[in-house]
Amino acid sequence: NAGVTQTPKFRVLKTGQSMTLLCAQDMNHEYMYWYRQDPGMGLRLIHYSVGEGTTAKGEVPDGYNVSRLKKQNFLLGLESAAPSQTSVYFCASSMSEFEAFFGQGTRLTVV
Amino acid sequence: SQQGEEDPQALSIQEGENATMNCSYKTSINNLQWYRQNSGRGLVHLILIRSNEREKHSGRLRVTLDTSKKSSSLLITASRAADTASYFCATDPEGGGADGLTFGKGTHLIIQP
Repeated sequence: NAGVTQTPKFRVLKTGQSMTLLCAQDMNHEYMYWYRQDPGMGLRLIHYSVGEGTTAKGEVPDGYNVSRLKKQNFLLGLESAAPSQTSVYFCASSMSEFEAFFGQGTRLTVV
Repeated sequence: SQQGEEDPQALSIQEGENATMNCSYKTSINNLQWYRQNSGRGLVHLILIRSNEREKHSGRLRVTLDTSKKSSSLLITASRAADTASYFCATDPEGGGADGLTFGKGTHLIIQP
């Protein structure tokens, strides 16, 4: 039982490049989330999804897009990476208001 | 904006001692959760306390919730070196639906052997 799997684990991008982070969960959870974690800032919600085909903006959505074409996958895209997007990105999934299960994170550096 | 604020930001104690961390939040909640994060890893759920509960236990963990003060505390008894980690409180806002938890900035706990 893999839980929540994020790929890749590490990535270095040049300013202006694009990339997609993949999150996959095998727990049949309806809800999925993308957070970013910066030093001294805790976790901040970027986008979330309450079901297949639906997405919504979180606290810090600018510069990111998401898609949830399949229930088990939640993709986070950066169209034109900026140094301010250097962060650790976490995907999480849950059933309604219960505990969230987190992936191991993707450490992204934009130079 | 951050909903929860943990206090202290950092805590260093000797193995075997008890560790207490506090969390304050701003709006009404459905529940409050505590998570642990080991260095370089994802967050792991520890315990959930609902808004109509005042205290909850799980092994060496004890969580209290005071909705009138909008605060919670996490007590880890008989601490071990393996408890060294960052601890985050997270709130599920009342009426927020499934639009995600709001996390505090965390308490970094160091257990000295």
